[in-house]
Amino acid sequence: SQELEQSPQSLIVQEGKNLTINCTSSKTLYGLYWYKQKYGEGLIFLMMLQKGGEEKSHEKITAKLDEKKQQSSLHITASQPSHAGIYLCGADWSGGSNYKLTFGKGTLLTVNP
Amino acid sequence: DAGVTQSPTHLIKTRGQHVTLRCSPISGHKSVSWYQQVLGQGPQFIFQYYEKEERGRGNFPDRFSARQFPNYSSELNVNALLLGDSALYLCASSLHGTAYSNQPQHFGDGTRLSIL
Repeated sequence: SQELEQSPQSLIVQEGKNLTINCTSSKTLYGLYWYKQKYGEGLIFLMMLQKGGEEKSHEKITAKLDEKKQQSSLHITASQPSHAGIYLCGADWSGGSNYKLTFGKGTLLTVNP
Repeated sequence: DAGVTQSPTHLIKTRGQHVTLRCSPISGHKSVSWYQQVLGQGPQFIFQYYEKEERGRGNFPDRFSARQFPNYSSELNVNALLLGDSALYLCASSLHGTAYSNQPQHFGDGTRLSIL
C-alpha cells in the first residue's frame, strides 16, 4: 500500500481561485518537503517543514505540517497560470541517518486563464 | 552559480546494454542522491553518496551501481538494461548528508532513458 498519499491526484482551477493539496503519511515524519515539477523536467524546491505545527510561506504558497507530523497541506492563494505543474511531497522517515526522500505520486495542477 | 547538472539529457539504449549517467552537484555540496521516476509516479530513491561513501540504497537490483568522485560528482551505472528501466533519472545534491541539516536537496533536470 502507498505510504505517502497525495490528494487530489489532479486539480483544475480557474485563475484567481485558491486551492489546497494534501499529503498524508502512514508514519511519523521527520521532515516533509514540497517540490514542483514541470512535465519531464527536474524538481524545483518549494518548502521544507520539520517541526510539528510549522507553517511556511513563500509568495502565494503556504505549507503546513500538522502537530502529529503525519499530514501536510500546500495552499495556493489567487492561483496563476504560472502555478501549473505537478506538485510532489517528499517524506523523510530516516530520522537523520541519511538523506532519503520517499515521494507521493504527485498532484497535477491545471490553472485555466 | 550553476545548479545540479546531469548528462546526457536523453539516451536511447537497447535491452541488455549498459549505461552510465553523470551528475555534477551544486558547488560546495558533498551529498549526491539518485532517483528513478517512471511516468505517472513520484521519484523513487536509488542511492545516496556522501563524502564518497554510500549512505543509503533503495530497493533496486544489483544491476544498479553508483560511485562518487573526489570532486563530489557522481555516476550511476545500470547493467543488462530491461524495458522497465525506461525512466527519468534524477540526481539531487545537498550540502550535508542528512535531512536534519535543514538544507534541502536540489534536483537536476534529469536524464531521460529509453530502452528499445
